[in-house]
Amino acid sequence: EAQVTQNPRYLITVTGKKLTVTCSQNMNHEYMSWYRQDPGLGLRQIYYSMNVEVTDKGDVPEGYKVSRKEKRNFPLILESPSPNQTSLYFCATLPWGSEGRSNTEAFFGQGTRLTVV
Amino acid sequence: AQTVTQSQPEMSVQEAETVTLSCTYDTSESDYYLFWYKQPPSRQMILVIRQEAYKQQNATENRFSVNFQKAAKSFSLKISDSQLGDAAMYFCAYRRTVRGAQKLVFGQGTRLTINP
Repeated sequence: EAQVTQNPRYLITVTGKKLTVTCSQNMNHEYMSWYRQDPGLGLRQIYYSMNVEVTDKGDVPEGYKVSRKEKRNFPLILESPSPNQTSLYFCATLPWGSEGRSNTEAFFGQGTRLTVV
Repeated sequence: AQTVTQSQPEMSVQEAETVTLSCTYDTSESDYYLFWYKQPPSRQMILVIRQEAYKQQNATENRFSVNFQKAAKSFSLKISDSQLGDAAMYFCAYRRTVRGAQKLVFGQGTRLTINP
């Protein structure tokens, strides 16, 4: 079964304590991305990766780090979390569609609800 | 920059009635794709329907259909015969590829309530 797996699903942490949210996919997709979802703002892209060792900033990268050492994994790292990073986080893969067109939908993980106190 | 706007934060409809969710987007590209995603309380992101910009025909998936107006940059979702299970947050999204880089941009979301 095609899956994007995020862990943990829920996390409460304290300000400044480093944390990592893991994301793993079994579809061999090259492109992976992290989003955060906030009320009234929709989903905003944090970072994306086009392939192993290739990452780039999205629209709201401040306070986050990522790495892509292998194709299947794309962890999101918060070195020093702050309360404004309290949010719902999604990992997603975007496969290529037929004939190289980007007409296929994204595959999403289950989401991680992060609370920073 | 590409932007997607959903101007209705909340909508409600009576069960079995029809409801239309609005979405507008801003782009200078001619080749792109549009999607509607549904997010129920489980938080799962579920694809509802997609539309290729190069296709003039509006996409339809059972009770879900779109009104795609390319010149107006409008992409509304119509849900016919609304069911209780349609209650969810709905996101409009725009996707394109530029020099191999993917870009998937979401609107703010519309929370749909179905009244029995």
